[in-house]
Amino acid sequence: AQSVTQLDSQVPVFEEAPVELRCNYSSSVSVYLFWYVQYPNQGLQLLLKYLSGSTLVKGINGFEAEFNKSQTSFHLRKPSVHISDTAEYFCAVRRGTSYGKLTFGQGTILTVHP
Amino acid sequence: GAGVSQSPSNKVTEKGKDVELRCDPISGHTALYWYRQSLGQGLEFLIYFQGNSAPDKSGLPSDRFSAERTGGSVSTLTIQRTQQEDSAVYLCASSLVGAETQYFGPGTRLLVL
Repeated sequence: AQSVTQLDSQVPVFEEAPVELRCNYSSSVSVYLFWYVQYPNQGLQLLLKYLSGSTLVKGINGFEAEFNKSQTSFHLRKPSVHISDTAEYFCAVRRGTSYGKLTFGQGTILTVHP
Repeated sequence: GAGVSQSPSNKVTEKGKDVELRCDPISGHTALYWYRQSLGQGLEFLIYFQGNSAPDKSGLPSDRFSAERTGGSVSTLTIQRTQQEDSAVYLCASSLVGAETQYFGPGTRLLVL
């Protein structure tokens, strides 16, 4: 079984500041890793994913994440945030096979202040 | 439409009533997933469909919950004798078989009074 821990439930930050949202996972098998964003009253939108290969993954809206196998982490970063980045962010994991239900972390609410 | 659609967007019901939630996946996506998002439990997997069959129902919380899929497309999640703890947002996602990315619909917000 897999599990995901998002270390911060809320992250406040000022506009144009850098941000890091932390995610750790555990699994006994190889996994795929994802970050999704949820804006108020909307569904989940994929930001980026790690499947294999380069450990630094770039996604939409200027976000990137780094897979660290030894630390079982997949932290999300953005060098300069905007007000529009205010949302809830979910880290998720699934088995690296043809089928895999997603196991989600508890979510991190990012609030960008002017 | 190009994305996953769900209906209704909001549903208010009385305790003990049955409800049906509908999901229209992206055309051609044979894999379909239901998840539940609630304040206490976060985002939880409910059931997975491959075509019309459901090889993984492990996340359904009780026998009051059931789901079906017809024609390899539309899926319906039914909750019988609703309870207040069923109040949540029910999300549907679809993907191509073997694809790693799931695309989510906007969800159905269910409130049981």
